[in-house]
Amino acid sequence: QAALTQPASVSGSPGQSITISCTGTTSDVGAYKYVSWYQQHPGKAPKVMIYDVSNRPSGVSNRFSGSKSGNTASLTISGLQAEDEADYYCTSYTSSGTYVFGTGTKVTVL
Amino acid sequence: QVQLQESGPGLVKPSETLSLTCTVSYGSISNYHWGWIRQPPEKGLEWIGYISYTGATSYNPSLKSRVTISLDTPNNRFSLRLMSVTAADTAVYYCVRVVTGTSNYDHWGQGILVTVSS
Repeated sequence: QAALTQPASVSGSPGQSITISCTGTTSDVGAYKYVSWYQQHPGKAPKVMIYDVSNRPSGVSNRFSGSKSGNTASLTISGLQAEDEADYYCTSYTSSGTYVFGTGTKVTVL
Repeated sequence: QVQLQESGPGLVKPSETLSLTCTVSYGSISNYHWGWIRQPPEKGLEWIGYISYTGATSYNPSLKSRVTISLDTPNNRFSLRLMSVTAADTAVYYCVRVVTGTSNYDHWGQGILVTVSS
């Protein structure tokens, strides 16, 4: 199964909004609502930020939001803060009954 | 608050079997899926597979011939076995809890680095 495609890097200034895309196929992202997003700081375990396309777990800032259109899911971070600087990964359920991760995006706060 | 902790050898020889255990504390194995995800040094996340509380499994097709995930419900833990390892299997291995019926991988272990080398 091929990894989902994410931009290698995205950057923004404090207070700005950024969007990270996650492109798959009609056999994964396009077919299911089971897309989630993870934030990973260096040397740490990933942390779920969004699940099932647009659901935000308790305790996650409402500055994080998710959406999907066709075969592409997106994570938007509004009001960018220094603490948001991290790697972000999407993952999607697939028609094979498995999950596949995205290639990962490094977010830099300028 | 449920906690997950990986344990096992940090060094495995090529062609041997990698075996890791994840112990679940302050929570039950029941009613969730339990999985493994790995991350080679300086690279991205790779989904290995998961097992449901009923024992049903699903594996990454690229690893399926070498992987087994099993449950030890009485002891509240689950395990990963990866056969015939090579240097390409060197990675940080994370155990995770998945909320059944969702894509919410809500709890992660701290990760354990396993190096494949002679």
